[in-house]
Amino acid sequence: AQSVAQPEDQVNVAEGNPLTVKCTYSVSGNPYLFWYVQYPNRGLQFLLKYITGDNLVKGSYGFEAEFNKSQTSFHLKKPSALVSDSALYFCAVRAAFGGYQKVTFGTGTKLQVIP
Amino acid sequence: GAVVSQHPSRVICKSGTSVKIECRSLDFQATTMFWYRQFPKKSLMLMATSNEGSKATYEQGVEKDKFLINHASLTLSTLTVTSAHPEDSSFYICSALTSGRPNTGELFFGEGSRLTVL
Repeated sequence: AQSVAQPEDQVNVAEGNPLTVKCTYSVSGNPYLFWYVQYPNRGLQFLLKYITGDNLVKGSYGFEAEFNKSQTSFHLKKPSALVSDSALYFCAVRAAFGGYQKVTFGTGTKLQVIP
Repeated sequence: GAVVSQHPSRVICKSGTSVKIECRSLDFQATTMFWYRQFPKKSLMLMATSNEGSKATYEQGVEKDKFLINHASLTLSTLTVTSAHPEDSSFYICSALTSGRPNTGELFFGEGSRLTVL
């Protein structure tokens, strides 16, 4: 079984400060890891993914995430937060074996950027 | 990026009626589509996995006869909530996986459908 944990229900950060949204995972095999963002009453939008290669992945809107295999983590980061970054963020994992297609999401973290 | 269209975005119905929600991949073929239900406390619950031309795979605890899923073509999947009740009121979101191998791609999501059952 695979699982994703987002330990923080909400993260508050001042505009201009760096932000981190935490994610840890558990999966058999090599993980495919994703971050998505959701704005109110909207579907989810893809931000970035880790499949293989460099542990630091850069994505949309200035976001990046660092894959840490030993800590089984994939934390989302941004050097300087904007008020418009306020939204709900989901971490997700897919296991890369066979034809397995199921994606498991974390419970989501609400990011509040304070002006 | 790939676009997934979900319709209707909002629907209000009376208790006991059935509601159909459509999910279309507009510019790609999706052999697999997923249906999620999002609860007020924000968590996403996977309801079922829909594969084109075959029966959907439902997650444990999801009633197959209540939530009918059909994936008749590579670009369309539908979710029908049958005999809807107020407790079925929720935000339903579909997503699609592009076909082709190896498939390491991300999911593409529809905009969601807000169902309110009176």
